[in-house]
Amino acid sequence: GAVVSQHPSRVICKSGTSVKIECRSLDFQATTMFWYRQFPKQSLMLMATSNEGSKATYEQGVEKDKFLINHASLTLSTLTVTSAHPEDSSFYICSTLWRTNNEQFFGPGTRLTVL
Amino acid sequence: GNSVTQMEGPVTLSEEAFLTINCTYTATGYPSLFWYVQYPGEGLQLLLKATKADDKGSNKGFEATYRKETTSFHLEKGSVQVSDSAVYFCALRGYQKVTFGTGTKLQVIP
Repeated sequence: GAVVSQHPSRVICKSGTSVKIECRSLDFQATTMFWYRQFPKQSLMLMATSNEGSKATYEQGVEKDKFLINHASLTLSTLTVTSAHPEDSSFYICSTLWRTNNEQFFGPGTRLTVL
Repeated sequence: GNSVTQMEGPVTLSEEAFLTINCTYTATGYPSLFWYVQYPGEGLQLLLKATKADDKGSNKGFEATYRKETTSFHLEKGSVQVSDSAVYFCALRGYQKVTFGTGTKLQVIP
């Protein structure tokens, strides 16, 4: 399958700071990317759909001002967790959509720990 | 809305044992169904999929059949290996979005 990278793989930050997570589609140009959040022993919850060149579409209950998404190019989407708090600690996973067959490819995830 | 229910884990099996992980779904229309696998420290990988009723997806010895009458997509493998130890997610794709189950951790012991 297609390769999706995320950076960083792990990040620890202090409460109140902002953290940026990058998601790169290495094998194809992805006009659509997804951001998920995974809690321990729980499923992946879709946070938002990121479309290149336009505003992201957020799921109900996800604060768009807290989780800023920028899909500035066809191979890069970023998620910025602003003013992070301990409850934002989680595993964040991005995914690219290959429109030819609507298959999704997932990144390895980023473990965020907010102290 | 759409939902996916899969059996809770962890599931612990001896090597060469038979595996079944149950998955049922609720959806409108005709969703596509998937099984993803997540190995420790890695992202999700597509294991197999089925796009219409009675389709059977298979890969690496794993199989699952799209059963519309029972709204199920159970994952099976005849003989598991230690390397199959991972978390398995059942998922469905409705209109544009993918809905995941909670995941089932499988541990295979030698």
